[in-house]
Amino acid sequence: GAGVSQSPSNKVTEKGKDVELRCDPISGHTALYWYRQSLGQGLEFLIYFQGNSAPDKSGLPSDRFSAERTGGSVSTLTIQRTQQEDSAVYLCASSINYGYTFGSGTRLTVV
Amino acid sequence: DQQVKQNSPSLSVQEGRISILNCDYTNSMFDYFLWYKKYPAEGPTFLISISSIKDKNEDGRFTVFLNKSAKHLSLHIVPSQPGDSAVYFCAASVTGGSEKLVFGKGTKLTVNP
Repeated sequence: GAGVSQSPSNKVTEKGKDVELRCDPISGHTALYWYRQSLGQGLEFLIYFQGNSAPDKSGLPSDRFSAERTGGSVSTLTIQRTQQEDSAVYLCASSINYGYTFGSGTRLTVV
Repeated sequence: DQQVKQNSPSLSVQEGRISILNCDYTNSMFDYFLWYKKYPAEGPTFLISISSIKDKNEDGRFTVFLNKSAKHLSLHIVPSQPGDSAVYFCAASVTGGSEKLVFGKGTKLTVNP
């Protein structure tokens, strides 16, 4: 597709459940990022994939968060045992040479 | 530890006037800076960037100024238009390594007709 696609656009889940968020990057973009924006906060870096290199996981807030990127394309961000503080908009971006393109995000609400 | 700071959460200006959005950073290793614009329910979109070898970059109504000694950059929009109303994020990076961007908290700009 022409842009970065994220699904679902909205997700409401019960505390303690696991959720999976999906990102389809722009074809040919070697880098893929996950950020999140909590209410009143900026964009918080979570994880970064670049080609076949080991991902930079330095922004993941806890071991309940994990992400993978299969075949250098689609990425899935998994949050296990969700907590209310995980509620945020999760944004995926792909890039080539700093040309970040963001998806529209997944709004996650943990109730 | 916020490495990129946007101290004004909001700014309101009249249509046709200048909007000035400010950003400060603490990491002296940053050498590439970007501004993104975000409308509600959409992802941020790239607006303009500047490398540390420059102190000004202009693109139409948008100009970014960089003051390296003060670790400060600003985005000027002139003339401001109602369609410019959005949240503006400042971002910074260290080139030569990963392309990871560090973002500020954003400034919500409202341009009144």
